[in-house]
Amino acid sequence: GQSLEQPSEVTAVEGAIVQINCTYQTSGFYGLSWYQQHDGGAPTFLSYNGLDGLEETGRFSSFLSRSDSYGYLLLQELQMKDSASYFCAVKVGNFNKFYFGSGTKLNVKP
Amino acid sequence: NAGVTQTPKFRILKIGQSMTLQCTQDMNHNYMYWYRQDPGMGLKLIYYSVGAGITDKGEVPNGYNVSRSTTEDFPLRLELAAPSQTSVYFCASSFPEEETQYFGPGTRLLVL
Repeated sequence: GQSLEQPSEVTAVEGAIVQINCTYQTSGFYGLSWYQQHDGGAPTFLSYNGLDGLEETGRFSSFLSRSDSYGYLLLQELQMKDSASYFCAVKVGNFNKFYFGSGTKLNVKP
Repeated sequence: NAGVTQTPKFRILKIGQSMTLQCTQDMNHNYMYWYRQDPGMGLKLIYYSVGAGITDKGEVPNGYNVSRSTTEDFPLRLELAAPSQTSVYFCASSFPEEETQYFGPGTRLLVL
């Protein structure tokens, strides 16, 4: 089976940096994705790591360590609009089949 | 491009009723997926399809059926609605060579 762990809630202030961790236990691991979901909205893709290391996209970065079964999403220069839930998802097998974590609710305060 | 569209947006069903959730994408994606999301939880994969005529079960397929007769459409069928199927249902699609999944706006289903 698949198991993903991420904190349920994180609070940070505007302009700060926040890191959301994700640890996983899975067979057939291919890679780790991150999605953002605002309340009442649909998930939107943020990043994918298929190899170890850091991927940077603007204010967001994502990191993967396959040997530690661990990844994180780093959000810099936090803005109020970053208040949302963030989900990590593991890709299993070769058919873009993903298993999602329960999500981390990020509260950004002024 | 409309992307991924889903109908209806919201539906109330009585226990034992049936319904079909519609999903259409206009991006020519081969892969399509159905997820359900319970309040405060992550997404659970119900069924997925890698192309017309090919479908497979995900994590939580019981109580659901799917078909894929065209590249564009991937309807999800609930045969005998149960309160446990109260959830938000998301359809998504992707290209085989890309990990990005594009989600529709969701269908909120309440079974009473």
